[in-house]
Amino acid sequence: NAGVTQTPKFQVLKTGQSMTLQCAQDMNHEYMSWYRQDPGMGLRLIHYSVGAGITDQGEVPNGYNVSRSTTEDFPLRLLSAAPSQTSVYFCASSYPPGRGTEAFFGQGTRLTVV
Amino acid sequence: ELKVEQNPLFLSMQEEKNYTIYCNYSTTSDRLYWYRQDPGKSLESLFVLLSNGAVKQEGRLMASLDTKARLSTLHITAAVHDLSATYFCAVDMWYNQGGKLIFGQGTELSVKP
Repeated sequence: NAGVTQTPKFQVLKTGQSMTLQCAQDMNHEYMSWYRQDPGMGLRLIHYSVGAGITDQGEVPNGYNVSRSTTEDFPLRLLSAAPSQTSVYFCASSYPPGRGTEAFFGQGTRLTVV
Repeated sequence: ELKVEQNPLFLSMQEEKNYTIYCNYSTTSDRLYWYRQDPGKSLESLFVLLSNGAVKQEGRLMASLDTKARLSTLHITAAVHDLSATYFCAVDMWYNQGGKLIFGQGTELSVKP
């Protein structure tokens, strides 16, 4: 069972570079989200999507772009990387909250911006 | 704006002792989740609490939800070393912003012999 798959697992970027973090799920979940995890701050929501073609901003959206062209994929784009974006990024997917089920998380991408 | 606060943030326990982690949130919701994270790993779902008064138990862990007080607790009974991890609560703003899951800061639990 693949679940939620994130790539890459590790990445080092130079300041100003752009890149895309990939996230794919095979559970036919409508909801997908991106979080960043920094020490002492828990997980903070970057962007989320409630279905293909629909995205919205979370708590810390600046510097990131998303799109959702299919149910399965929800890539996160860093437009111009900054050292403040050094973090661990998690993608999650779930059914709509009315179904009362939890979100499933990918294994994370550890990003370092130098 | 929904805020989720956990306390304590760090907890050092001795084996066989009991303790409780608290999760407070600031706006109406009746969807609360508990997750566990081992160092360097992803998050693993522990409990899904969907209504006022909900109580779930798994082994030495028991979670409860009081929506009137906007409070959830995670009670640890007779702690063992294997429970050492970081525990997160998360609240879903499903009434008007479904899919927007907001997390607490996490409680880092260390169980020592």
